[in-house]
Amino acid sequence: DPKIIQKPKYLVAVTGSEKILICEQYLGHNAMYWYRQSAKKPLEFMFSYSYQKLMDNQTASSRFQPQSSKKNHLDLQITALKPDDSATYFCASSQYRTEVFFGKGTRLTVV
Amino acid sequence: GDSVTQTEGQVALSEEDFLTIHCNYSASGYPTLFWYVQYPGEGPQLLFRASRDKEKGSSRGFEATYDKGTTSFHLRKASVQESDSAVYYCALSDRNNNAPRFGAGTKLSVKP
Repeated sequence: DPKIIQKPKYLVAVTGSEKILICEQYLGHNAMYWYRQSAKKPLEFMFSYSYQKLMDNQTASSRFQPQSSKKNHLDLQITALKPDDSATYFCASSQYRTEVFFGKGTRLTVV
Repeated sequence: GDSVTQTEGQVALSEEDFLTIHCNYSASGYPTLFWYVQYPGEGPQLLFRASRDKEKGSSRGFEATYDKGTTSFHLRKASVQESDSAVYYCALSDRNNNAPRFGAGTKLSVKP
């Protein structure tokens, strides 16, 4: 059974629209992360959260907003979508900065 | 900022060949170094890690030794199999154990 669940697996969005990528982890971890993978920048770190608080943000654009409603949830809201946002977005988690486990990703295509 | 560099973008080998993928890092102090493997349609999975000079990490026949002198953590395997075909990432976590930062990745293709 997958321990990090990302929904949806595939997502097609229209330029200018807004989407939310869902992530839930059932590993009991206290830290969660978002990474982005595209042909231009493989596995780029975006955000890290610990105990539902933002710890690190390497995303320049405010169009990307993480949302943590529960300690095992870290969703990613993306507004005003652009074709350049097309990528696979990986959610990950760890227990206090030990081994980082990744989900299977959400592949986003912006048309 | 801290970073890792993988020099090989793609490596093509035959089964039983010896594998080396080079990884050099730039960071202060003693960062933790990782090797991850990613199969198609999956997220990256940790192979192993090392956090001290001369420490060797190993898993599934793959190994790498942390070398602070040359700031390297090269991945090696004596005899690759077709099932080893995947993308391999070197990664680094700084001395504050922040989220790992990844290199560009090396796509390994192994012919039977």
